[in-house]
Amino acid sequence: LAKTTQPISMDSYEGQEVNITCSHNNIATNDYITWYQQFPSQGPRFIIQGYKTKVTNEVASLFIPADRKSSTLSLPRVSLSDTAVYYCLVGPNRDDKIIFGKGTRLHILP
Amino acid sequence: GAVVSQHPSWVICKSGTSVKIECRSLDFQATTMFWYRQFPKQSLMLMATSNEGSKATYEQGVEKDKFLINHASLTLSTLTVTSAHPEDSSFYICSARVEKPGQDYEKLFFGSGTQLSVL
Repeated sequence: LAKTTQPISMDSYEGQEVNITCSHNNIATNDYITWYQQFPSQGPRFIIQGYKTKVTNEVASLFIPADRKSSTLSLPRVSLSDTAVYYCLVGPNRDDKIIFGKGTRLHILP
Repeated sequence: GAVVSQHPSWVICKSGTSVKIECRSLDFQATTMFWYRQFPKQSLMLMATSNEGSKATYEQGVEKDKFLINHASLTLSTLTVTSAHPEDSSFYICSARVEKPGQDYEKLFFGSGTQLSVL
């Protein structure tokens, strides 16, 4: 079961680029890296998924180095509405469990 | 992306009553669904893995007789909190993983959650 480690919290300002890094040292060969966003009193929402190098969509970019032992979620030009908790997950897990780490609480300031 | 519908969004009940929460995958089939509970400012805690047509697999410390899970079809899983007590008050979230190869393959999609308050 690949364990993930993220910063507990981060603060940034509107218009800035925010990078959140996740460590996953024991990632398996067939594991993908997926990031989710959760607002209070809502279920998590899929943001982006990648396997290696760089992935970009309309919301974010995901950078994965060659050794895949970490990944960085990049949010360009954040706004107040990006204040949320961001979770990094690695899987599929061999025993089919989906375990969440503590996530990163991102607070965007005006 | 795929849609997971969860109902009700919130429920208030008296101590000792039972509450059923439904989780539906609207546009895909899910052999496996997951149930989580979340306390304020904490992460999601996996309660059980729901398997279509078979018994759910519960995490250590989760009472299977307290939290009854039924996954009778490929699009519906239910969680029943039996004889609820105030300590069962929490935010419950279900999720399902897309198992068919395609754009959303192996991505997890979540319901909107159910806030349970037991008086």
